[in-house]
Amino acid sequence: GAVVSQHPSWVICKSGTSVKIECRSLDFQATTMFWYRQFPKQSLMLMATSNEGSKATYEQGVEKDKFLINHASLTLSTLTVTSAHPEDSSFYICSASLSLSSASGMGEQYFGPGTRLTVT
Amino acid sequence: RKEVEQDPGPFNVPEGATVAFNCTYSNSASQSFFWYRQDCRKEPKLLMSVYSSGNEDGRFTAQLNRASQYISLLIRDSKLSDSATYLCVVVQGGKLIFGQGTELSVKP
Repeated sequence: GAVVSQHPSWVICKSGTSVKIECRSLDFQATTMFWYRQFPKQSLMLMATSNEGSKATYEQGVEKDKFLINHASLTLSTLTVTSAHPEDSSFYICSASLSLSSASGMGEQYFGPGTRLTVT
Repeated sequence: RKEVEQDPGPFNVPEGATVAFNCTYSNSASQSFFWYRQDCRKEPKLLMSVYSSGNEDGRFTAQLNRASQYISLLIRDSKLSDSATYLCVVVQGGKLIFGQGTELSVKP
């Protein structure tokens, strides 16, 4: 199956600093990537949809100036958590979809291994 | 009301048991339905799609009832390796909406 990587896999940073997370599709081109966040014992929540060459679409309640998304190429999307605070500590997961041409294609999202962010 | 609701569990069952998970969704316009599996501190992985006609893959059977907006997953002959969190996922407006997940622990 398709492979999606994320880097770093975990990061600890001090409050007020910025953290960049990379999401790469290794063996396919993804025009659309998705960024999720998951707090302990909770469901994955979609933060934003990242489209190559255009601005990301953010979900309601997600601050676009705090969570900067850049999708510069068909294989790379980055999420930067700016001025991180302890409440931003979470599991951040990206995914990429091979096909958006059908409803079933939307379900065939391939997830990266996730990045565990801890802000002290 | 949550868009996708699941019993969080945990479900503690012995090896060989049959276990059933339920899920309800609120938006009748939902397009597609899936079960994902998520191991502790790992990313979710697609387990199977869910169709109105039912879908069986080995020990796993998924069922969709559109009228009741209800999705189920049945696991027969549970294995230790089935221990994980099972996520009910609904596609709405081109987006994946995840349930909270149901935790399963299979004991020897």
